[in-house]
Amino acid sequence: AQSVTQPDIHITVSEGASLELRCNYSYGATPYLFWYVQSPGQGLQLLLKYFSGDTLVQGIKGFEAEFKRSQSSFNLRKPSVHWSDAAEYFCAVGGGGSQGNLIFGKGTKLSVKP
Amino acid sequence: KAGVTQTPRYLIKTRGQQVTLSCSPISGHRSVSWYQQTPGQGLQFLFEYFSETQRNKGNFPGRFSGRQFSNSRSEMNVSTLELGDSALYLCASSSRDRVTYEQYFGPGTRLTVT
Repeated sequence: AQSVTQPDIHITVSEGASLELRCNYSYGATPYLFWYVQSPGQGLQLLLKYFSGDTLVQGIKGFEAEFKRSQSSFNLRKPSVHWSDAAEYFCAVGGGGSQGNLIFGKGTKLSVKP
Repeated sequence: KAGVTQTPRYLIKTRGQQVTLSCSPISGHRSVSWYQQTPGQGLQFLFEYFSETQRNKGNFPGRFSGRQFSNSRSEMNVSTLELGDSALYLCASSSRDRVTYEQYFGPGTRLTVT
């Protein structure tokens, strides 16, 4: 069955420090992978996506993610975290094409220390 | 372009009642998906509509239904509300382009069942 695992429920980093959020997926075919961010009381905002090609993808707000097929991972990184990055982050996998649904991980809540 | 809009933003209903939520997708997008978000279960796919046809359905009881109109606006209905239906209901729209398949989310409707 398709699934997404985000091992870290809550992460706290200091402002200016680097960040890596982990995501592992289980999907039979070539996955479409996404990272979304959700601020309290808000919907989900798309940070970046991977469909094919270069395994290092750049997104908005200075985020990037690397697709590693051998590890079934799609980790999200940011070199220097800002206080405004505090939010919940969701990794998702989708089949694309005729598949209209995304399968989400449980999310990682990011707190930023001043 | 205007984003995905959802109305109402907040709702309080009583057990046994029914509720209808509305979603207007991004202009030009023909696919609308609905998701339920709860603290315990996370983000779960409800159903997807494309050109007024339900294309995919998640694992929810028949009390949850939806429809899409010719202008791509979508509604979802929950009948005989239960306390467990309290959740944030998110709508997402997509152009369903085979090359760039991604979903854009609205702010959600917060449903509280008492």
